Amino acid sequence: TQLLEQSPQFLSIQEGENLTVYCNSSSVFSSLQWYRQEPGEGPVLLVTVVTGGEVKKLKRLTFQFGDARKDSSLHITAAQPGDTGLYLCAGGGSARQLTFGSGTQLTVLP
Amino acid sequence: GAGVSQSPSNKVTEKGKDVELRCDPISGHTALYWYRQRLGQGLEFLIYFQGNSAPDKSGLPSDRFSAERTGESVSTLTIQRTQQEDSAVYLCASSLGRAGYEQYFGPGTRLTVT
Repeated sequence: TQLLEQSPQFLSIQEGENLTVYCNSSSVFSSLQWYRQEPGEGPVLLVTVVTGGEVKKLKRLTFQFGDARKDSSLHITAAQPGDTGLYLCAGGGSARQLTFGSGTQLTVLP
Repeated sequence: GAGVSQSPSNKVTEKGKDVELRCDPISGHTALYWYRQRLGQGLEFLIYFQGNSAPDKSGLPSDRFSAERTGESVSTLTIQRTQQEDSAVYLCASSLGRAGYEQYFGPGTRLTVT
């Protein structure tokens, strides 16, 4: 069974601060996705990374896939209240379903 | 184009009753997935469809849970004899069908069993 562990589970920071969320596994994934979910809505895909060592930037968000394709990180620069939400990583393997992490609940205070 | 839609958005039912949850995927998406999410937690995989077939039912928690898909489109998740532990948000997602790739989610159905 493939498992993805996310840390921290909860994070509360002030507007303007930087933060990093981690997603770790002992399994290798062919792809790694990051989603953000807001209350009452389904998760929304932010990015997909497929190559070990790959770095993708989406405005103030930087995503990295580990060289061994077992881990990933999401770094947010100068966080804003609009970044508040549940961040989920999800790994894709040979099976067609994704393996989701348990999520990081981020709260950015104005 | 239209995204994934789910109905109803909220469902309150009494313990022991049956419920049906509906998912309309994005047109042309051959793969469809059902997940369960308990409050503040990650997503628990339930079942996956490729076309109208379900090659992976490994996540269904008990034989009270079943799902079907018709016309390579709409899917229905049925929970029989609901229990309080079934209370959760049930999320549906669709994708183009490549293994594990880029799933697009609906808003979910919040099920409350009283």
